Amino acid sequence: AQKVTQAQTEISVVEKEDVTLDCVYETRDTTYYLFWYKQPPSGELVFLIRRNSFDEQNEISGRYSWNFQKSTSSFNFTITASQVVDSAVYFCALSGRTGTYKYIFGTGTRLKVLA
Amino acid sequence: DGGITQSPKYLFRKEGQNVTLSCEQNLNHDAMYWYRQDPGQGLRLIYYSQIVNDFQKGDIAEGYSVSREKKESFPLTVTSAQKNPTAFYLCASSMVASEYYEQYFGPGTRLTVT
Repeated sequence: AQKVTQAQTEISVVEKEDVTLDCVYETRDTTYYLFWYKQPPSGELVFLIRRNSFDEQNEISGRYSWNFQKSTSSFNFTITASQVVDSAVYFCALSGRTGTYKYIFGTGTRLKVLA
Repeated sequence: DGGITQSPKYLFRKEGQNVTLSCEQNLNHDAMYWYRQDPGQGLRLIYYSQIVNDFQKGDIAEGYSVSREKKESFPLTVTSAQKNPTAFYLCASSMVASEYYEQYFGPGTRLTVT
């Protein structure tokens, strides 16, 4: 079965702190994809990144970075020097052939960045 | 600007009434999806459509119906058979129905049934 676990329900940090959001997944597929989405208060999910199961390189995009480790089935997301605008719910999702093209979403982590 | 529109943002209905949620995309995407989001839970797939005139049930299709008569449009009807219809509904689309392609989401419709 496929499963995504985001154990952190809510995190509060003070502006300019670094914060890491955890994502642990389960799948039997050898080929799969992992995604991170941001859901600001407006409600719309915004795509942040896609990572395939064969690419374990870490990725950095501005203040965002992602650490993918197959050995621990984790795909963690770090925001460096957090800002108030980063306040949102962040979802990790998994897709693979077993899931017939559907995403398996985690329950999300609510990040509050305090000024 | 290309994107997905959902209307209305907020919808109120009386119990026992059917209600249809609108979803339109101008991204020229083949695949479209409907999700339901409840507090403290991830998104759950209701229905998806890989191509016009074709759609498949997701994990929680009971009490819902859809149609896909046009590539751009994928309306969702919440019927009176849905036991707990109050939720936030999100429509999404992707280039094709593939595990590879990211899905793009609309702004959502918050449905309240009393």
